[in-house]
Formats: sequence, C-alpha cells, structure tokens
Amino acid sequence: QVQLVESGGGVVQPGRSLRLSCAASGFTFSNYGMHWVRQAPGKGLEWVAVIWYDGSEKYYADSVKGRFTISRDTTLYLQMNSLRAEDTAVYYCVRLGSGWTLDYWGRGTLVTVSS
Amino acid sequence: QTVVTQEPSFSVSPGGTVTLTCGLDSGSVSTGYYPTWFQQTPGQAPRTLIYSTNTRSSGVPDRFSGSILGNKAALTITGAQADDESDYYCVLYMGSGIWVFGGGTKLTVL
Repeated sequence: QVQLVESGGGVVQPGRSLRLSCAASGFTFSNYGMHWVRQAPGKGLEWVAVIWYDGSEKYYADSVKGRFTISRDTTLYLQMNSLRAEDTAVYYCVRLGSGWTLDYWGRGTLVTVSS
Repeated sequence: QTVVTQEPSFSVSPGGTVTLTCGLDSGSVSTGYYPTWFQQTPGQAPRTLIYSTNTRSSGVPDRFSGSILGNKAALTITGAQADDESDYYCVLYMGSGIWVFGGGTKLTVL
C-alpha cells in the first residue's frame, strides 16, 4: 500500500533554515508528481508546492515563493529558508494523482518557528 | 489572489442528507478545475474522498458523492452517520501548476 513518511520537522528560530524529507513506498515514486501541503495550528489546509514526476517543473504558493524549494531524487524534499513565525504548521507530503489531484497523504511533520 | 469559498460550518441530523459547496470568489467552478474533496478528523491527516469532481477514492462509501451544482462544486453525504462529523476541505486546480484550498467546512452530526 502507498506510504508517505515525512521527517525533519522541529523547532527553529526565525530567519533560519530547515529541510523536510518524505520517504515514499508502495508505488513507483519516479512516476508521480508530489505536493507539499501545510496546516497551521487550528487552521485550514494550504497548498505549498508541487514537483512534476521527473522534477522538470516546480510551482509554489506565493506565500513561500523565493524562500522554499521543492526537490526530489528517490526522496521528496522541501528546503525552507528565511523561516517566519507564520510558517509554523504541520507539513504534509501528498502524492499528485490522476486528474490533477492530491490522492495519498503522509501523517505530517510539525515545524515550529519560534525564538 | 483567488479565493476558494466553503461554508464555515454545517449541521445534519443522523440519517439525513447534506450538501457542502466549493465556489470561487469570482467566477464559476467547472470540471476543468478538477475539484477534490477531503475529510479530516482532529489530529489526523486528511483523507481524499472525491477527485475529478465525482470520482470516489478507493474505499470511500457510496454515500459520498461529488458533482457540480450551479456554479460550485458540491459534496453530498447521503444518510449521514456520527463518524461523518469532521472537517471537509475542497481544493481546485487553477492551472499552471497552482492549487488553492478552500477554508474548510466543519460538519456537525446531531
């Protein structure tokens, strides 16, 4: 079965960097695009970024453009620079399914930006 | 900046039918936005219910259905059960590699 496991979250000071990882199993990772989605405490879901199956295209929400970078090899990554308090959230790794959708979700990793 | 709209809250009686909607602050939602619906209970990751407007994800009961109603995407729950009490989110594909979530609907079953 499809499994997505995020790691790399933690507490970080404003202005610092953090890299999240997502390990995928149960499907051919190289055949699928992947998203990052976040959820601030007590708030709704926010789409963050997507990368195409071959890494050829990457797109970002305006709120993170220029600060976050999505990438992949055999693992999905999210490099987060210049972190702000408003980046505090659970970050989910999500598969890009057929029909331009988000089909399988990881359990998420919590990032807390605080001094 | 595009805003995707959802009812903040809704309630339904056990066994009843409820329709949640997903709209745009300007314009109409069509199948070309590939609307997707998710269910999330507290402390859990979201679960995908419906994608491409009306296709149920694997294992989702057929009492969940998706459609376009007027100028919005819609999620209908028929025969609501207590464990349907959750937050429901929609997301729309805006094209050019951009997705936008709605603010979510908190559904109460009582």
